[in-house]
Amino acid sequence: EAGVTQFPSHSVIEKGQTVTLRCDPISGHDNLYWYRRVMGKEIKFLLHFVKESKQDESGMPNNRFLAERTGGTYSTLKVQPAELEDSGVYFCASSQQFGSAGNTIYFGEGSWLTVV
Amino acid sequence: AQSVTQLGSHVSVSEGALVLLRCNYSSSVPPYLFWYVQYPNQGLQLLLKYTSAATLVKGINGFEAEFKKSETSFHLTKPSAHMSDAAEYFCAVRGPTGFQKLVFGTGTRLLVSP
Repeated sequence: EAGVTQFPSHSVIEKGQTVTLRCDPISGHDNLYWYRRVMGKEIKFLLHFVKESKQDESGMPNNRFLAERTGGTYSTLKVQPAELEDSGVYFCASSQQFGSAGNTIYFGEGSWLTVV
Repeated sequence: AQSVTQLGSHVSVSEGALVLLRCNYSSSVPPYLFWYVQYPNQGLQLLLKYTSAATLVKGINGFEAEFKKSETSFHLTKPSAHMSDAAEYFCAVRGPTGFQKLVFGTGTRLLVSP
């Protein structure tokens, strides 16, 4: 069974450009999460989808970030326009059962974003 | 609010030595606690989790952790380090309902020398 897959694995863009990150969760997982790790800092929560609905988007840093999950399958995270401080690793994760805190959250390998 | 503190951004051990990675948590509700590991150029992999059952939790690759409520700790241990254990380890906490997000510590990089 495929794990959580993310694309692209690495991206280098100029300040002011737009980048779109894609995440394909494990098949059948209703919960999808985005996290980010800026260099040297902790991994921080960005938002949580349950199917196609945003359950919690309290971690989104500002309105330059837009996440979507049309149809409740894959998700995209767009950064527009990108700033230098957006550089970091963006992790996507998914979990199976709605409402169960003990369920394992499976992470992808991350999308490394560098803004120059 | 929940938080996790991992003492030591880097821990160095010799191969065969005990591994001890420290994690202390703060939570106003009964916590669920997790250890994740990130090997070089890979994603985060779950090592083990505490979900209010047994306080001593065994995970993959010989790691285990003990939940100590009185000390608000969830330290990760392995009796004998192997070179392949070199990685970054993250402790995380979550509340008891499914809506609550994982809150991570800053991570501890484990270095294993021959």
